[in-house]
Amino acid sequence: GAVVSQHPSRVICKSGTSVKIECRSLDFQATTMFWYRQFPKQSLMLMATSNEGSKATYEQGVEKDKFLINHASLTLSTLTVTSAHPEDSSFYICSASEASGYEQYFGPGTRLTVT
Amino acid sequence: QKEVEQDPGPLSVPEGAIVSLNCTYSNSAFQYFMWYRQYSRKGPELLMYTYSSGNKEDGRFTAQVDKSSKYISLFIRDSQPSDSATYLCAAGGTSYGKLTFGQGTILTVHP
Repeated sequence: GAVVSQHPSRVICKSGTSVKIECRSLDFQATTMFWYRQFPKQSLMLMATSNEGSKATYEQGVEKDKFLINHASLTLSTLTVTSAHPEDSSFYICSASEASGYEQYFGPGTRLTVT
Repeated sequence: QKEVEQDPGPLSVPEGAIVSLNCTYSNSAFQYFMWYRQYSRKGPELLMYTYSSGNKEDGRFTAQVDKSSKYISLFIRDSQPSDSATYLCAAGGTSYGKLTFGQGTILTVHP
């Protein structure tokens, strides 16, 4: 149980284009989803928290117009990196939690490379 | 000062050893604590979740929380090469659902 998937697992895009990453909870309803960014050999940096049907709450320093988050249903959240630049290249990971618990279950991550 | 501090290691042990991983935290409002294991280029996997001071055991893993000293630990008994990964401690409770992570400890168990 508690499986979270992400798609795509890897993406390479050109500078200036937009990329959408999907995060799905496969066997539970995720009232809250989180988006993290992780640089090599560093810990997870929370970017934003999203609740189904509400606007996402962004962490300080994260540009909400650049990183668009949509949590349209209890099983799907998307992160769109708009007008991507090479400095946006990173490992993006989502997690999801149920209404009944504090545990976060993570997806496998998406490696984004912007050329 | 980071809210959750974790020695990044790296830590290298022989197969069969007992491994001790530790974190300290500064925010007394933290109420629950988790340990995650992350293999290279993968998402973190939840290992242990504790809500109060004391010990919690699951197979070869034991999580320990001491709220009076703001100290959390993960012990791995009979370590195996497959345990080689980065271990992340996390604390939550200040904002619903939000976790604060330590920087992770890189563990290598060699045969």
